[in-house]
Amino acid sequence: AQSVTQLGSHVSVSEGALVLLRCNYSSSVPPYLFWYVQYPNQGLQLLLKYTSAATLVKGINGFEAEFKKSETSFHLTKPSAHMSDAAEYFCAVPRHPNVYKLSFGAGTTVTVRA
Amino acid sequence: GAGVSQSPRYKVAKRGQDVALRCDPISGHVSLFWYQQALGQGPEFLTYFQNEAQLDKSGLPSDRFFAERPEGSVSTLKIQRTQQEDSAVYLCASEPLAGPYNEQFFGPGTRLTVL
Repeated sequence: AQSVTQLGSHVSVSEGALVLLRCNYSSSVPPYLFWYVQYPNQGLQLLLKYTSAATLVKGINGFEAEFKKSETSFHLTKPSAHMSDAAEYFCAVPRHPNVYKLSFGAGTTVTVRA
Repeated sequence: GAGVSQSPRYKVAKRGQDVALRCDPISGHVSLFWYQQALGQGPEFLTYFQNEAQLDKSGLPSDRFFAERPEGSVSTLKIQRTQQEDSAVYLCASEPLAGPYNEQFFGPGTRLTVL
């Protein structure tokens, strides 16, 4: 079954600095990959999704992610962090063959320093 | 429009008590999911409904967990004889129709603490 691994449970960045969150998927090529964000006391919200149409995916709030088959990675980036980006971020993949069943990584908490 | 709502937002139960957690999905959404999120972990799939039919309950941890969606809208997750290991945030999500392209819309969750 497909799974994802998020490297780094906590990331701290300065406001205006690059945000880089790492996600690696298990070896067989997934048809889809997702990044979700969870703000404190709120539900998860979809940031972006990869559906094989393009390897560079742009999402909401200035985030983007690049699918790299050679590295089995789907890292999330934002060029310039904003205070409002402080949240927990989850990478997810459908758990083949039941594609409705999402398998989430353990999450990465982002803090933004003023 | 209104998103997915869950109630209660917080629940404290004594070990051995039964609890019921409610989910109101987005109106018209056919698919409904329950996830369990332990502290410091990502959500784990529990069960999936399409309308009133429970199509997958493979993630329910034990027979103490029971979910229903009798009219194809509101869903209830019931946990009988709660144990300390049941302490977690229970998330509900809905989707217009389940499929790999579709976005699951999540509620804010119910934080269950079993003492």
